[in-house]
Amino acid sequence: KAGVTQTPRYLIKTRGQQVTLSCSPISGHRSVSWYQQTPGQGLQFLFEYFSETQRNKGNFPGRFSGRQFSNSRSEMNVSTLELGDSALYLCASSPGGLPPAYNEQFFGPGTRLTVL
Amino acid sequence: QKEVEQDPGPLSVPEGAIVSLNCTYSNSAFQYFMWYRQYSRKGPELLMYTYSSGNKEDGRFTAQVDKSSKYISLFIRDSQPSDSATYLCAMSGGSNYKLTFGKGTLLTVNP
Repeated sequence: KAGVTQTPRYLIKTRGQQVTLSCSPISGHRSVSWYQQTPGQGLQFLFEYFSETQRNKGNFPGRFSGRQFSNSRSEMNVSTLELGDSALYLCASSPGGLPPAYNEQFFGPGTRLTVL
Repeated sequence: QKEVEQDPGPLSVPEGAIVSLNCTYSNSAFQYFMWYRQYSRKGPELLMYTYSSGNKEDGRFTAQVDKSSKYISLFIRDSQPSDSATYLCAMSGGSNYKLTFGKGTLLTVNP
C-alpha cells in the first residue's frame, strides 16, 4: 500500500507570495491533518479534514487555510507569506471515524518551505 | 508553561546502552500518550500508543505513563545505530481532539 505523498518536497517563495501544498493520503483513509514543524516551536497542529469538512483547527492565523476533495486528497494554502512561515509542513492521514488524536496517523515526508 | 515539555538533547549513547527519553505535561485532561520516531528528512512514525497510566512493552521499547506526576517515558533497550533519530512525545485528551507534541529529543547511538 502506498504511503502518504506530499508535493512538492521543496519550495522557495518570497515574502508576500502565496503557496499551495498538496497531500495524497493512504488509500481508504478519510482524515487528513496538517502540521507545521519548526526547530523553535516543534510540531504544531494546523487543521484536520474529514469527509471534505474541517473537523478541527489549531491556533494559526487565517492566512493558513485548507480543503479536502471528494477523493480525500487535501491541499493547504498559505497567503501573504512571512519569513516565519519557513518550516517543514507535514501531512498525516488516518482511517477516519475517530479524530486523529485517538487513531494512528501516518505521516508523509513533508514539504520544506523556505520564505526569503 | 508549555503544555508538553521535552528535553531536546542531543543525547549520544554507545550501542547496546539503555536509553531513557522523557516528557512532562501540564494538562491533566491528557489520557492518550504516544511516542513517534522521526528520521532525518522523513515524517514521524508512530512507535508506541498508551492509554492512561501504566506500562506498555513492544520488543526493545517500553512506554511508561505516570499520570499522578504528569510524566511519561520511553525506554529503549539494547540500543542500535538504527535507533538514531528524533523522538517526539505526543498526547491528547479531554474535549480537544488535537495532538500536542513535545519538541523532540535527538538521539544518536554510536557503533
